Amino acid sequence: EAQVTQNPRYLITVTGKKLTVTCSQNMNHEYMSWYRQDPGLGLRQIYYSMNVEVTDKGDVPEGYKVSRKEKRNFPLILESPSPNQTSLYFCASSFASGQQFFGPGTRLTVL
Amino acid sequence: GNSVTQMEGPVTLSEEAFLTINCTYTATGYPSLFWYVQYPGEGLQLLLKATKADDKGSNKGFEATYRKETTSFHLEKGSVQVSDSAVYFCALVISNFGNEKLTFGTGTRLTIIP
Repeated sequence: EAQVTQNPRYLITVTGKKLTVTCSQNMNHEYMSWYRQDPGLGLRQIYYSMNVEVTDKGDVPEGYKVSRKEKRNFPLILESPSPNQTSLYFCASSFASGQQFFGPGTRLTVL
Repeated sequence: GNSVTQMEGPVTLSEEAFLTINCTYTATGYPSLFWYVQYPGEGLQLLLKATKADDKGSNKGFEATYRKETTSFHLEKGSVQVSDSAVYFCALVISNFGNEKLTFGTGTRLTIIP
């Protein structure tokens, strides 16, 4: 089944404790992206990647890192999480200019 | 910059009622327009899309027409069902040097009452 998977689905952590949210797709998509969803703000892009080893900032990249060492994986790294990063995170993937497929989301709470 | 404005929610309707969720956009260039739906506890699913002016996207009884003159892409359905209860997002894409960034509206929560 073609899908985008994210892990974990739910995470509660404390300020400053490094964490990684994984994203994997099995559709051989070149393009991958991370969004965060906040009430009243919709979804905003954090980082994107056009292919392996090619990443760039989106609209709200502060406090986040990403890597794209393999085509299928695009992890989101929070080196030192803060409470304002409490949010619902979505990974998406697509072929270039194609329909974007979204993962199920990761709900992160930073205390 | 690009932006999407959609109808504030929540919206509550009775089953079989007519639905309209308004969406207008501001964009430089020629965007493609989308409606995404988010069911409880799930990710976003593409509901329908339109890629150029006057195109009509349709799926599962929902429709939206790309109106360039009014910069709008309103979502409509003639007879809603309880299973349509979800959050609906209007969005646009203008490809920018390979970044397929979706610009989303704030979402409209729809609840259908039996």
